[in-house]
Amino acid sequence: GAVVSQHPSWVICKSGTSVKIECRSLDFQATTMFWYRQFPKQSLMLMATSNEGSKATYEQGVEKDKFLINHASLTLSTLTVTSAHPEDSSFYICSARSTGGETEAFFGQGTRLTVV
Amino acid sequence: GQNIDQPTEMTATEGAIVQINCTYQTSGFNGLFWYQQHAGEAPTFLSYNVLDGLEEKGRFSSFLSRSKGYSYLLLKELQMKDSASYLCAVRDSNYQLIWGAGTKLIIKP
Repeated sequence: GAVVSQHPSWVICKSGTSVKIECRSLDFQATTMFWYRQFPKQSLMLMATSNEGSKATYEQGVEKDKFLINHASLTLSTLTVTSAHPEDSSFYICSARSTGGETEAFFGQGTRLTVV
Repeated sequence: GQNIDQPTEMTATEGAIVQINCTYQTSGFNGLFWYQQHAGEAPTFLSYNVLDGLEEKGRFSSFLSRSKGYSYLLLKELQMKDSASYLCAVRDSNYQLIWGAGTKLIIKP
């Protein structure tokens, strides 16, 4: 089956630093990748939709200058949390839709970010 | 607005059957998804319904009625490892997933 690999699984960083999270589709081409944030005991919140070769579409309330998304190839999208603050601590999850795919079945393992 | 409703928490006994309901009101409909999410992990795809009726996959089945804006996930022969949150999500006319808050399922021996 299709595999999405997300790295790192967890990261602790100091307030004010930047953190990059990678999302790779290992055995299929993903024209569209989605970045979610999930706070404890809450459902997934879509942050942005990333299309290969074009700018990401951000959801209302998500700062595009703070959460930089790059989708340079059909197998890799990155999310960079810039100038991280403790309130950015959360579980970040990516998912990928395959080219021509109808289902959205492929999630990365998630990244637990803790900002201290 | 768009809305997905599902119970917050359910409890069931090992070996039994449980049905988790989901009702939705969305701008358009392009399929309904069920995911399983264990604590601290990413969601895992369980099922996808786009036409009315029942989709069976092993111990798990999912039902959809588009006219009623209703779906359920049926879990049979419950096992302790089925303790998790179950998320209902609907893909709207813009092909975006609208997520329910999830149902925490507790399995007791």
